[in-house]
Amino acid sequence: AQSVSQHNHHVILSEAASLELGCNYSYGGTVNLFWYVQYPGQHLQLLLKYFSGDPLVKGIKGFEAEFIKSKFSFNLRKPSVQWSDTAEYFCAVNGDNNDMRFGAGTRLTVKP
Amino acid sequence: DGGITQSPKYLFRKEGQNVTLSCEQNLNHDAMYWYRQDPGQGLRLIYYSQIVNDFQKGDIAEGYSVSREKKESFPLTVTSAQKNPTAFYLCASSIVGGAMDEQYFGPGTRLTVT
Repeated sequence: AQSVSQHNHHVILSEAASLELGCNYSYGGTVNLFWYVQYPGQHLQLLLKYFSGDPLVKGIKGFEAEFIKSKFSFNLRKPSVQWSDTAEYFCAVNGDNNDMRFGAGTRLTVKP
Repeated sequence: DGGITQSPKYLFRKEGQNVTLSCEQNLNHDAMYWYRQDPGQGLRLIYYSQIVNDFQKGDIAEGYSVSREKKESFPLTVTSAQKNPTAFYLCASSIVGGAMDEQYFGPGTRLTVT
């Protein structure tokens, strides 16, 4: 089964700083990759997903992620964060065995 | 308003009691899932169901049971055999349960067992 590793447990940034959250997975087959976000007091919701085509995918609220197959990575980026981006971010991988795996999550705190 | 509802939001039980968490969806999704979320461990899959009257164990099914008698409902029972039941439980659904499907999540139930 696949596994997912998120490198940072807690990231603290000031507003307007650039963001990159790391996500690496281990799986030898075809992967479908997701980033979910959980804002304080809200449901988990999808930020973006990749399953084929252009490895640079754009999601909601200015987020993007790049799939680098050779590095087994799917890092999440945003050029300029806002206070409202404070949330917990989860990377998830689903292989062709349809066995979704989530990372441990990264808590992002954006200071105004 | 389509979505997933979980009730109750907070649940307290004494050790040794079984407890059932409710999950209902009106999205007409075929697949439904139960996850457990613990701090620093992300989401771990307990059970999932891709069709009515069928379900499969996830990574941490021991001490839990489910049923899927109706498409819209997927209740989870936390039995007294679950060694560490205090956690945040999330229910999710997806259209057909395919590998490319996005999952839609409910608000969660926080269970405390003392």
